[in-house]
Amino acid sequence: QSALTQPASVSGSPGQSITISCTGTSSDVGSYNLVSWYQQHPGKAPKLMIYEVSKRPSGVSNRFSGSKSGNTASLTISGLQAEDEADYYCCSYAGSSTFDVVFGGGTKLTVL
Amino acid sequence: QITLKESGPTLVKPTQTLTLTCTFSGFSLSTSGVGVGWIRQPPGKALEWLALIYWDDDKRYSPSLKSRLTITKDTSKNQVVLTMTNMDPVDTATYYCAHVVVTAMGFDPWGQGTLVTVSS
Repeated sequence: QSALTQPASVSGSPGQSITISCTGTSSDVGSYNLVSWYQQHPGKAPKLMIYEVSKRPSGVSNRFSGSKSGNTASLTISGLQAEDEADYYCCSYAGSSTFDVVFGGGTKLTVL
Repeated sequence: QITLKESGPTLVKPTQTLTLTCTFSGFSLSTSGVGVGWIRQPPGKALEWLALIYWDDDKRYSPSLKSRLTITKDTSKNQVVLTMTNMDPVDTATYYCAHVVVTAMGFDPWGQGTLVTVSS
């Protein structure tokens, strides 16, 4: 099972919105509404930002939103702030028959 | 409040077996729908899922590493143990454990991670 495909990097200016895509297959992203997104600052553990495609855990800013269309999930960050600069990873459940869980290759977000 | 912490050796030799322990608090692995996963991250690289163990002792492994991995739980000690055999320098990574709820399949929260270096 290949990793989910994410752009290596995205950038935006403070206040702008950016979207990170996460492309999988009909066996993972396309089959389950179990896509999650993680934020990771350098030297830190990942933090859950979105689960079940579009749900936000308690305490996560509503500037973060998720969606899915077909085999591609997306994370949108609105009103970019300097502290949003980090690596972002998507993750999808892929069914219990083979690869239960698959991660994306990660996207480096730079706030200009 | 849920917390997890990984422990184990920081340095292992090639061909040796790695044993990592995840000690957690704030939840019970006997509660229906709960699981603990292991994920690793080589320096400068992406996250890679390794294994999951659920409350009912169902165990799931990454197909590419399945032959080398074993995950077990000790509910009374609130611990999950991951063993990886035949370690190689390419297995050098930070190893994380994380709490997961089956219905949501989001890893939350994560432990702080432990860096394991494989070198002779």
